[in-house]
Amino acid sequence: TQLLEQSPQFLSIQEGENLTVYCNSSSVFSSLQWYRQEPGEGPVLLVTVVTGGEVKKLKRLTFQFGDARKDSSLHITAAQPGDTGLYLCAGQYNFNKFYFGSGTKLNVKP
Amino acid sequence: SAVISQKPSRDICQRGTSLTIQCQVDSQVTMMFWYRQQPGQSLTLIATANQGSEATYESGFVIDKFPISRPNLTFSTLTVSNMSPEDSSIYLCSVESSGEYNEQFFGPGTRLTVL
Repeated sequence: TQLLEQSPQFLSIQEGENLTVYCNSSSVFSSLQWYRQEPGEGPVLLVTVVTGGEVKKLKRLTFQFGDARKDSSLHITAAQPGDTGLYLCAGQYNFNKFYFGSGTKLNVKP
Repeated sequence: SAVISQKPSRDICQRGTSLTIQCQVDSQVTMMFWYRQQPGQSLTLIATANQGSEATYESGFVIDKFPISRPNLTFSTLTVSNMSPEDSSIYLCSVESSGEYNEQFFGPGTRLTVL
């Protein structure tokens, strides 16, 4: 049973388009992280959010943590082929273990 | 961040055999975890590797099938025992940093194929 639901599962877009990926849970997180993973490699940490309502920007990526700390979104502006990969959210409960979302496969076509 | 290496990077094994995967970290860390991932899918936590005591397993994973060692703060092993084709997967170790946030860093993974 997934504690975190991600949507969409798959996303195929043209270079230059914008996109948003969502991560939702019925539980409150002590922190939430977003990762990007390429084939044959481990997930690479993009950002950590800990405060409800927090917004963090990493170049063309904008991460938002919900006010109630139960959901998060990742928005990519002007996507590039180099953004292609598997995007994963991971929530931490009570500063203990991390549980991963179902993942979003993004393909950005040139 | 921590630099994590895993051995082997991939292996093809016969049904009924066992494989031990090693995870080495370049610094001492308190928390180490083992995950399983089907290619292109999400990660499932197998267990937390505890230094000096038995690993803590998640629901659906047992010590007889996935024995874990954690002899010190920089090293852990995961053994996949009595393998079947259903065990074919990517196995990843991760560590938790001791910085401002409890962030996780991952090894490159071990791709296991069981015939």
